[in-house]
Parts: sequence; C-alpha cells; structure tokens
Amino acid sequence: SAVISQKPSRDICQRGTSLTIQCQVDSQVTMMFWYRQQPGQSLTLIATANQGSEATYESGFVIDKFPISRPNLTFSTLTVSNMSPEDSSIYLCSVCEGMNTEAFFGQGTRLTVV
Amino acid sequence: AQSVTQPDIHITVSEGASLELRCNYSYGATPYLFWYVQSPGQGLQLLLKYFSGDTLVQGIKGFEAEFKRSQSSFNLRKPSVHWSDAAEYFCAVGAGLTGGGNKLTFGTGTQLKVEL
Repeated sequence: SAVISQKPSRDICQRGTSLTIQCQVDSQVTMMFWYRQQPGQSLTLIATANQGSEATYESGFVIDKFPISRPNLTFSTLTVSNMSPEDSSIYLCSVCEGMNTEAFFGQGTRLTVV
Repeated sequence: AQSVTQPDIHITVSEGASLELRCNYSYGATPYLFWYVQSPGQGLQLLLKYFSGDTLVQGIKGFEAEFKRSQSSFNLRKPSVHWSDAAEYFCAVGAGLTGGGNKLTFGTGTQLKVEL
C-alpha cells in the first residue's frame, strides 16, 4: 500500500491567516482526495485533487476557501484560507492507486484556529 | 445520493467478548464498502473491504464483515475483542465513477470501549 506523509501534523493558527498542508505519497497514484473531520464528527470529502487541472469540489466547499494544487502524481497541497475557529478540524489526505482500489489515508493534520 | 448509517455511537464490551458493529448503507448500484479504524490522534487504517464476490470478507487484526444486499448492511465482527481494539470505527461506501475508494461517504462512527 502507498505510504502517505502529511505536513504539518498539527498547527495552531491565528484567525484570518492561511495554512498550507502538504501530502506526499511514496508512489504515483491515480487519485488524491482531501477530507475534513470536524471535532467529534465523521469525515467529509472536500475535493478531488486532479493532476494538472483544477480540483473538483464537493457541495459546500469552494476553491477560494480551500485552494488545492496537484502538480504531479505524488504530491498535493490543501490551503485553508482566511481561517476562522470553525475551520478547526483534522484534515486528511487520501489516495487511490488506481481504479477499483481501496483508499489509504495519511495521518492527518490537526488544525486549531484561535 | 449515497449514505451510511452506523446506529451505535458508543459500544462497550469486555475484553474477550465478541463484537458486532452495525453499518447500513444506501446506494443505487453495487457498493464498494469499507471499514476503517481510527485510534486517538491517528489517521484511518483500513480494516477490510468488499468489492464483489464472497460476501464474507476477512480483514486485519482478526476482523471480518458480512455483506448482505437484502438488508443493505455490512456489519463488522470480531470473535474476541482485545483491549487494543478500543478506537473509533468508521463504515464507508465508495461512490465515485472509477469505483473503489474513490469519493468515500462515511458513517458517523462507532466509538468502541473495551473493559478489562
């Protein structure tokens, strides 16, 4: 299975600032995704990171708030922009190595906005 | 739209006892089903998956799950729970066009507590 590294593992940020989270995979993967897990809740898909093109966002998530890059098949970033305390969550990167394959997850980035 | 229901928010079992965590899904086509476990402060670890074929699937750590299409269920079981199994368990369904774990919808999770 793919090994996924996320950086940072945690951060405490001031409201109004932005944080960029990195996701590095040890092999080329077809699909990469970003999920959010709000405190005490389940995971919600933010977007699919598309290599070489704009990410595909789920309902309720917009590019201005969560810009995503995916410059190649092993790396992606998620930026949480203009943060507010409501953005305090765990953000997880997930990958699928190909069609009809399972998803693997990084360890997550625990973000606290103060 | 697809959905996943985990009716039990919290479950407490004694070490050595059997375990069953319930999961019901709603999806219009043949589902791709998963169970993940999340320990405190950790990411998600895949326990097992169902794509097709044998409806009883075996996973890691002694877990198994049974897919029942007629009941839209995918319950997770373990015959004898260990204290280290205490964690949160998520059931998920994959609904993306390329199948598998593409665009997962998760249940709300079941928090498992193990009494020694």
